[in-house]
Amino acid sequence: DSGVTQTPKHLITATGQRVTLRCSPRSGDLSVYWYQQSLDQGLQFLIQYYNGEERAKGNILERFSAQQFPDLHSELNLSSLELGDSALYFCASSMTTLNTEAFFGQGTRLTVV
Amino acid sequence: DAKTTQPNSMESNEEEPVHLPCNHSTISGTDYIHWYRQLPSQGPEYVIHGLTSNVNNRMASLAIAEDRKSSTLILHRATLRDAAVYYCILRDVRNSGGSNYKLTFGKGTLLTVNP
Repeated sequence: DSGVTQTPKHLITATGQRVTLRCSPRSGDLSVYWYQQSLDQGLQFLIQYYNGEERAKGNILERFSAQQFPDLHSELNLSSLELGDSALYFCASSMTTLNTEAFFGQGTRLTVV
Repeated sequence: DAKTTQPNSMESNEEEPVHLPCNHSTISGTDYIHWYRQLPSQGPEYVIHGLTSNVNNRMASLAIAEDRKSSTLILHRATLRDAAVYYCILRDVRNSGGSNYKLTFGKGTLLTVNP
């Protein structure tokens, strides 16, 4: 158990819909990262939040947005869903020191039908 | 981001050592070398990391070449549970200190462990 909790584990929804994925980081970790893993693209970095503020952005679509709340949990919002958004979405958290590691959750498997 | 090159796949026998290579010829002085692995149906898991010196932990050893252009992850005795995709990743801590842990994953090496 990494200490990072993601809900829900599975999500099936229709094209055009909007979903929210939730992540609770490890206790004490200020940074949260979102990654998308699809069969053809591998693991892609989407976005990072640090103590409530957006810190880094990767290949995140405009239809996607995220935020980190004062209690440090984070949500990834995906809207106007397309079939190609079907993927595993991972959240990770880390401390802020140089010599540290990132801890990943078990992921949310999103299926868009 | 500096790139890494790994073999697509490797095979090992149970109880034998495994050496997983990684080339990173464009590594910069501020790049840490990280290894993560992803077991089937799970999120990536940290294995080990280092900067210049060889490193050991309970999971593995990391051997870093003197010029830092390559590194090798060593699993001393492979078990069936070590079958996974292993990712070698360079993490640039320049300007961000420890607060940026953006990881750029490549395709990794799929390790198969035979009983």
